[in-house]
Amino acid sequence: DIQMTQSPSTLSASVGDRVTITCRASQSISNWLAWYQQRPGKAPKLLIYKASSLESGVPSRFSASGSGTDFTLTISSLQPDDFATYYCQQYSSYSYSFGQGTKLEIK
Amino acid sequence: EVQLVESGGGLVKPGGSLRLSCATSGFTFSSYSMNWVRQAPGKGLEWLSSITSGGTSEFYADSAKGRFTISRDDPRDSVYLEMSSLRPDDTAVYYCARDSAWGRPDAFDVWGQGTKVTVSS
Repeated sequence: DIQMTQSPSTLSASVGDRVTITCRASQSISNWLAWYQQRPGKAPKLLIYKASSLESGVPSRFSASGSGTDFTLTISSLQPDDFATYYCQQYSSYSYSFGQGTKLEIK
Repeated sequence: EVQLVESGGGLVKPGGSLRLSCATSGFTFSSYSMNWVRQAPGKGLEWLSSITSGGTSEFYADSAKGRFTISRDDPRDSVYLEMSSLRPDDTAVYYCARDSAWGRPDAFDVWGQGTKVTVSS
């Protein structure tokens, strides 16, 4: 099974900051990677698919890159709505797996 | 509007069974693979099971193999998760999520609101 490891687990930042979250796969997954945002008490929301493609309706301050085993999600200028937990997910095969999550907190 | 609505959660005793349902609308359900994902209190997301369009294939996480069964009813636009031999560590919010319409795994672009399952005596 493919393991997904995110870092950091928690990130403290301020409105307007640029932040980056990292996700590493235990083996190559090409570009079969998604990023989700989850606010407390809500279902996850798809932000990015195929490693770098922005889902329709997602603000352009979100961007992502990577391929193989190393991936990043960047938020260029944090807005109040962005303080949430972020998960990466690999879907290279029908044995999906998620990272453990990165909680983005207000500093 | 595309919608997924889960139901069937509740309180169940250890060793008991439960059947979760996910009713969908707003898209051609029969064309899509569907999934179940859970989230234990204060924990991350855990994929449990997938079923491809037409029900031709089913896939399970190790934690679900042998105890959980996924199924679908295309005329009812619904997907189900039958859970048995439930344990306290199965306590979680269970989400259904839409997958691919093109025959290979894909990102989960639509999620339901979740249904809460509590396993406790």
